[in-house]
Amino acid sequence: AQRVTQPEKLLSVFKGAPVELKCNYSYSGSPELFWYVQYSRQRLQLLLRHISRESIKGFTADLNKGETSFHLKKPFAQEEDSAMYYCATSGSARQLTFGSGTQLTVLP
Amino acid sequence: EADIYQTPRYLVIGTGKKITLECSQTMGHDKMYWYQQDPGMELHLIHYSYGVNSTEKGDLSSESTVSRIRTEHFPLTLESARPSHTSQYLCASSGQGTDTQYFGPGTRLTVL
Repeated sequence: AQRVTQPEKLLSVFKGAPVELKCNYSYSGSPELFWYVQYSRQRLQLLLRHISRESIKGFTADLNKGETSFHLKKPFAQEEDSAMYYCATSGSARQLTFGSGTQLTVLP
Repeated sequence: EADIYQTPRYLVIGTGKKITLECSQTMGHDKMYWYQQDPGMELHLIHYSYGVNSTEKGDLSSESTVSRIRTEHFPLTLESARPSHTSQYLCASSGQGTDTQYFGPGTRLTVL
């Protein structure tokens, strides 16, 4: 069965500092990886997908198949980045399995 | 505008009542999903549908039922609500050829 692990429930960084949200997955095939974000009082929304290899709002994520990781990074955190972040993967069943989420707080 | 709609947004109801949570999408998507999420916790898939008249149960066992009579509509029903059903329910949809899901605003259900 697929599993997504986000080891940090809470993460605080100061504005301007680098931030990395960790995500590890377990799936033997070729999964599709996602990061979703939920800002306060807003719906869950897609942040980025690994197949797009894009940078959204300054965030990037690299798929490391050897370490089965898909960590989310941003070199300079902003206060508006404070939100709940979920890593997710889809496998052969074409359904998403979500991690438990990391609450990021960017301090002024 | 293409979007996913959920009603009601908030519902407080007594034990034993029958409730239906509505979800509709104007995205033109064929796949739809229902998730249950407790505050600050992960999402658990409870139902999904890949098209009209097709529904399946998800990973998390749920006493709720769903129907898919129209492509754009995917309601969830609880025949007899109980306090253990208190949670947030999220509806999502995705299109052909992609696993990317788009979410509605959610319904926060409280059963007293």
